[in-house]
Amino acid sequence: EAGVVQSPRYKIIEKKQPVAFWCNPISGHNTLYWYRQNLGQGPELLIRYENEEAVDDSQLPKDRFSAERLKGVDSTLKIQPAELGDSAVYLCASSLAGYLSPLHFGNGTRLTVT
Amino acid sequence: GQQVMQIPQYQHVQEGEDFTTYCNSSTTLSNIQWYKQRPGGHPVFLIQLVKSGEVKKQKRLTFQFGEAKKNSSLHITATQTTDVGTYFCAGNTGTASKLTFGTGTRLQVTL
Repeated sequence: EAGVVQSPRYKIIEKKQPVAFWCNPISGHNTLYWYRQNLGQGPELLIRYENEEAVDDSQLPKDRFSAERLKGVDSTLKIQPAELGDSAVYLCASSLAGYLSPLHFGNGTRLTVT
Repeated sequence: GQQVMQIPQYQHVQEGEDFTTYCNSSTTLSNIQWYKQRPGGHPVFLIQLVKSGEVKKQKRLTFQFGEAKKNSSLHITATQTTDVGTYFCAGNTGTASKLTFGTGTRLQVTL
């Protein structure tokens, strides 16, 4: 099966600029996650979707971050405006429904804000 | 909020030596999953434990889930250079799919 696809792989932007990340989950996976991973740390959940509904976005900084999952498949994560502290790897993951389902991660987008 | 800590943060071993990482949660977990992340890569699922006191083996890897379901461990016997990477535990509380990842243990193996 094809894995989780993310793009772009790398992104360098200046602070205050907008940026967007795209994710295509594994076919049939209803649950989609966006995680942020800072250097040397574990992934931190930003938002979780069940189909097209955002069921957990408590960790998403809503003043500058937004996400959408149209038609319950692809998803985009946007930051506007970006800050220096947003530099990190943004990981998308998908899974079958249920808390016992393992996560399948994409290769991530490494964001550098200068 | 829930916190999941792992120790050690980093370990350097010589090939053939054993390695253990410990995972401790501030709250009782419904299940725990282990992931491996190679340098420059993304986390890859290794295994899941659900039952109190459960022990599972994958070749040279042994995983345990504590009796109180608040801690877990991963033991690698006779490490190889292919074991290099960061090992994360991740747990759920209740039945919500809100996996909280641990702080990770980075393993370096040299010949």
